[in-house]
Amino acid sequence: QKEVEQNSGPLSVPEGAIASLNCTYSDRGSQSFFWYRQYSGKSPELIMSIYSNGDKEDGRFTAQLNKASQYVSLLIRDSQPSDSATYLCAGPTTAGGYNKLIFGAGTRLAVHP
Amino acid sequence: GAGVSQTPSNKVTEKGKYVELRCDPISGHTALYWYRQSLGQGPEFLIYFQGTGAADDSGLPNDRFFAVRPEGSVSTLKIQRTERGDSAVYLCASSLFTPLRAVGTEAFFGQGTRLTVV
Repeated sequence: QKEVEQNSGPLSVPEGAIASLNCTYSDRGSQSFFWYRQYSGKSPELIMSIYSNGDKEDGRFTAQLNKASQYVSLLIRDSQPSDSATYLCAGPTTAGGYNKLIFGAGTRLAVHP
Repeated sequence: GAGVSQTPSNKVTEKGKYVELRCDPISGHTALYWYRQSLGQGPEFLIYFQGTGAADDSGLPNDRFFAVRPEGSVSTLKIQRTERGDSAVYLCASSLFTPLRAVGTEAFFGQGTRLTVV
């Protein structure tokens, strides 16, 4: 089992809709999770971090963490074509003492007008 | 500097040659990470530095790969006897503190070095 898993997509949503991106992780000891956005040909850009159970909102983005279910999600409200990118979920692994940030394979999001 | 800086942005080399990739982290960041990313994949962990020492090098694929960070700031990833399979984007990231479980220790990436071995 991979440590961080995401559906590769593509996830296609119409402009203005809510995009829901999901991630599961295997390491129950992980305490923090991060969502990165990566445009084609560019490097990952941090957009959200979440450290405790529940929701964290930042503008149109909401990150949700459920440690009991080992599940992290990212909701993008009022999706825009400029949101079209690959979204990477990342979390630390407890192997060796929380010193590796492990990424999922990413979910490709396409927002169509 | 304002962000993580990686040089060169592109590197084309012949099979069997030696290459060095440089990373200059955000000023004051103690942790530095190297990742490799192939098309359609997420970043693959290579090595992590805490200060000058390599705290975890378990992701280095073989002994042709080596990285240093002699003064706890700039890091160099070195690849000997390059192979076509080494072609990828090499990403460097830095964070203020580790371990990553601590709040406020998000990692920020440089623009990457695209390595092509021909």
